[in-house]
Amino acid sequence: GAGVSQSPSNKVTEKGKDVELRCDPISGHTALYWYRQSLGQGLEFLIYFQGNSAPDKSGLPSDRFSAERTGGSVSTLTIQRTQQEDSAVYLCASSPGRQGNQPQHFGDGTRLSIL
Amino acid sequence: SQKIEQNSEALNIQEGKTATLTCNYTNYSPAYLQWYRQDPGRGPVFLLLIRENEKEKRKERLKVTFDTTLKQSLFHITASQPADSATYLCALDNQAGTALIFGKGTTLSVSS
Repeated sequence: GAGVSQSPSNKVTEKGKDVELRCDPISGHTALYWYRQSLGQGLEFLIYFQGNSAPDKSGLPSDRFSAERTGGSVSTLTIQRTQQEDSAVYLCASSPGRQGNQPQHFGDGTRLSIL
Repeated sequence: SQKIEQNSEALNIQEGKTATLTCNYTNYSPAYLQWYRQDPGRGPVFLLLIRENEKEKRKERLKVTFDTTLKQSLFHITASQPADSATYLCALDNQAGTALIFGKGTTLSVSS
């Protein structure tokens, strides 16, 4: 069956440019999460969506980061005025409902490189 | 804030042996703890979930224990195989119940 799909799989851009990362969750999953994984680091939580609303966006590192979800499905993570420290793998996950007792299903991520 | 530690960055064992990975947490008593497997260039894949009132959970060659007194979970792979080589992540739900907090992972290498 279809899993979580992320695009692009790789993105190289120049410092100062804006980037958009896309996540297609598993159909019917109401919860969607964005994480960031830097080299040698663990997964860092960014934002959680339940439906189209984001009850927890406490992990977004700065106001250059924003995310939205439309139709209770596709989500886009936008990074404005990218900096070199934004280079990382951005992972999206979805689950049937509120996490805790639900496993999360991950995509394979977008590898973002800022030159 | 919650803190989760996997005390070994790397673990090397021989095929057929049992691998034991440790996950410790502080400042929190999670209701659930999860284990994931991550291969290079791929997203994490869910393996097992254990609840606070469960002492042990098994799935095929995998076993997870959850000791809420010690604030520790152990993850065992019995009869390990080279295909088990990967990074294993433990994760617990945050206090708000809105995200998982992940450890940095233990990279397991099984040699034949």
